[in-house]
Amino acid sequence: DAGVIQSPRHEVTEMGQEVTLRCKPISGHDYLFWYRQTMMRGLELLIYFNNNVPIDDSGMPEDRFSAKMPNASFSTLKIQPSEPRDSAVYFCASSLRQGHQPQHFGDGTRLSIL
Amino acid sequence: QKEVEQDPGPLSVPEGAIVSLNCTYSNSAFQYFMWYRQYSRKGPELLMYTYSSGNKEDGRFTAQVDKSSKYISLFIRDSQPSDSATYLCASLNTGNQFYFGTGTSLTVIP
Repeated sequence: DAGVIQSPRHEVTEMGQEVTLRCKPISGHDYLFWYRQTMMRGLELLIYFNNNVPIDDSGMPEDRFSAKMPNASFSTLKIQPSEPRDSAVYFCASSLRQGHQPQHFGDGTRLSIL
Repeated sequence: QKEVEQDPGPLSVPEGAIVSLNCTYSNSAFQYFMWYRQYSRKGPELLMYTYSSGNKEDGRFTAQVDKSSKYISLFIRDSQPSDSATYLCASLNTGNQFYFGTGTSLTVIP
């Protein structure tokens, strides 16, 4: 039973470059979440989707961040242009129903912006 | 002030010890409380889930919520080296918004 799949696992790129993170949620899950984790701020919700529609993007830090979910099995988080302060671990999670159902996390993308 | 506050540790205990992990939260509207365990270079996985006040036990793990003091606890009995991980508490408000603590790093020494 495949869990949430994220790619790439690691990304190292130079400041100013475009970064695209990818996520495949668990089949049948209708909620998808993007989080960012840092030592200082912990796990922060960036945006979440319900049935492919963005519901709350209030956690997206700046216009440089954008997320899409073109279908039920794929989502992307894009940073353009990237900055060193974007360095963090980015997690994708999915759930059957928000709130009372547990969120299942992928193993994250470790992003380093030089 | 963050919605959920958690002592980052690190916490180091000998094998077999009882571990107590704690969080406080600020919003009295929170109704659901969770503990996630995160191994190094892995995503968080749900460990315990409780509603409102009271205790919930699952094997060696007990989750406790005291809504009067806005305090969340996780107790681990007979701790094992395999329990070494970061533990994150999380709360859910009535708007179905999750708030996570920053995590407490635990090491159980054989």
